[in-house]
Amino acid sequence: KNQVEQSPQSLIILEGKNCTLQCNYTVSPFSNLRWYKQDTGRGPVSLTIMTFSENTKSNGRYTATLDADTKQSSLHITASQLSDSASYICVVTPNRDDKIIFGKGTRLHILP
Amino acid sequence: GAGVSQSPSNKVTEKGKDVELRCDPISGHTALYWYRQSLGQGLEFLIYFQGNSAPDKSGLPSDRFSAERTGGSVSTLTIQRTQQEDSAVYLCASSLLGQMNTEAFFGQGTRLTVV
Repeated sequence: KNQVEQSPQSLIILEGKNCTLQCNYTVSPFSNLRWYKQDTGRGPVSLTIMTFSENTKSNGRYTATLDADTKQSSLHITASQLSDSASYICVVTPNRDDKIIFGKGTRLHILP
Repeated sequence: GAGVSQSPSNKVTEKGKDVELRCDPISGHTALYWYRQSLGQGLEFLIYFQGNSAPDKSGLPSDRFSAERTGGSVSTLTIQRTQQEDSAVYLCASSLLGQMNTEAFFGQGTRLTVV
């Protein structure tokens, strides 16, 4: 069964600190993996995308990594800001015509 | 339109009433998803429409929930005899199938409150 598991479920850190969010998936075949950011009261928005041949992708202070062998991805946030408080959702596409599989997300709270 | 549009943005209804939620996907997008998100929780898959294929209804929580997509465009999610546990934000997303870098674009959601 295609699944996407994320950890931790929630995380609280101080402003300026770094953090890493984890995503494990059992989706096969595999086309691409995206990390989405969902601000409170808003719909999720894509942050990064990686295909099976890529192992890292950066978007400002956000860096995503992918290990297609172990089927793990991580999202690293550097020098966190209050605006980083949101849910971060890992999303995997099996192949270009299949249903996208969403993880439950990690809720990140940045404290001043 | 420029993005996925959902209406209404907020809906308060009495327990036992029926409600209809609407989703206008991005023009030309062949895939459409409905998700439910309870307060502080993750996305819960409800139903998936893929082009002209039969929809994947495996996430619908009960037979009170149904959805249709007319003409491959607009979709409506109907909840009959609403219950308080149906209170949540209902999110719709659309994507273009057949693309290597498929991205799902979300609407702002409909916040449903059953009183």
